[in-house]
Amino acid sequence: AEKVIQVWSTASRQEGEELTLDCSYETSQVLYHLFWYKHLLSGEMVFLIRQTSSSTAKERSGRYSVVFQKSLKSISLIISALQPDDSGKYFCALWELRYNQGKLIFGQGTKLSIKP
Amino acid sequence: GGIITQTPKFLIGQEGQKLTLKCQQNFNHDTMYWYRQDSGKGLRLIYYSITENDLQKGDLSEGYDASREKKSSFSLTVTSAQKNEMAVFLCASRDRGLAEQFFGPGTRLTVL
Repeated sequence: AEKVIQVWSTASRQEGEELTLDCSYETSQVLYHLFWYKHLLSGEMVFLIRQTSSSTAKERSGRYSVVFQKSLKSISLIISALQPDDSGKYFCALWELRYNQGKLIFGQGTKLSIKP
Repeated sequence: GGIITQTPKFLIGQEGQKLTLKCQQNFNHDTMYWYRQDSGKGLRLIYYSITENDLQKGDLSEGYDASREKKSSFSLTVTSAQKNEMAVFLCASRDRGLAEQFFGPGTRLTVL
């Protein structure tokens, strides 16, 4: 069974809008990290934001923020004021800390298109 | 800051051929990873290495070899390329004190 699920394979928005990308995950671990990455058309994979399971802080980095619902095993990425450069594929990833070498489990990704 | 480079950017091989992908990082990170990304799927871990000369199998190691002869470099070998091998191979590294992995630009493999 998939441990990290991104239900939407594609999404499309207008420039200036706000977007929420959803991700659900399965783990029996208490301590884990969740990450959002963006895969560019150039091939580069860019780290966006991290949520630690033990943190109650609302993580934010620039136009990126997350909504972490630990009891529902859900983490959403919110991108505000969308720009054409936000187009790309967004991946959610889980790191269970029992794997202290940092083995990431990725979702299938959501491809985002921004219309000018 | 640092950078991860992957060579080549595009790799075209024949079915049955042995192919090598290279990755270099100048972050001085201890752990390095090789992932494979297929269209419509998430990244899957092939091999990783927690230090020089260490190798650990990931979920997708069959059909691949890896080599970590130096801390800064991690090579992946496709032992016998198959047509379903066509994918993007991503290298990543991580410092032991950090959670985030940093990725290279990828190598796109096409098997004819």
